[in-house]
Amino acid sequence: GENVEQHPSTLSVQEGDSAVIKCTYSDSASNYFPWYKQELGKRPQLIIDIRSNVGEKKDQRIAVTLNKTAKHFSLHITETQPEDSAVYFCAASYPGSTLTFGKGTMLLVSP
Amino acid sequence: EPEVTQTPSHQVTQMGQEVILRCVPISNHLYFYWYRQILGQKVEFLVSFYNNEISEKSEIFDDQFSVERPDGSNFTLKIRSTKLEDSAMYFCASNLDQGNNQPQHFGDGTRLSIL
Repeated sequence: GENVEQHPSTLSVQEGDSAVIKCTYSDSASNYFPWYKQELGKRPQLIIDIRSNVGEKKDQRIAVTLNKTAKHFSLHITETQPEDSAVYFCAASYPGSTLTFGKGTMLLVSP
Repeated sequence: EPEVTQTPSHQVTQMGQEVILRCVPISNHLYFYWYRQILGQKVEFLVSFYNNEISEKSEIFDDQFSVERPDGSNFTLKIRSTKLEDSAMYFCASNLDQGNNQPQHFGDGTRLSIL
């Protein structure tokens, strides 16, 4: 089955800095890579996703990059704000399978 | 925007008792999922359900667990004889098409506390 590794486990940045979270996956058949944001006690919310037919996707301050050869993908948040503080989970899946999640990254943005 | 809804938000149960967690997926979605998240840990897949049957399940989903779609809207997770280690947040999710990797939308979860 798929195995997803996520780093770092915690990340502290100053407001306005950029944050980068990295994930690797094991199954070369995986072709869908969503990122979820989970605030304390809340549901995981999809913030961005990427499919293997593209290498990068951007949505305002959030971007995701995918390197299929190396089997890793990254979340980039620019101009971080205190409300970006949350736990971020990456995940991977291949057609017909469910999601395998990474262990999460706790992002703390200090004012 | 349509949402996945879950009830109850918090369930406290004595060890050994049965518990049923309820979910109403988004109405036009076809695939339904249950996940578990132990406090401070990652989200773990339990089971997926499509066309009134289980399509995939994890090692966690043993004989104590069962799922059902008793009517056209509800999707339930039953734990037959709860254990202390079943204490966790349980999330229901749904999506339109698993084969084409449509995004999964999560409910707010049910916090299950086993005493």
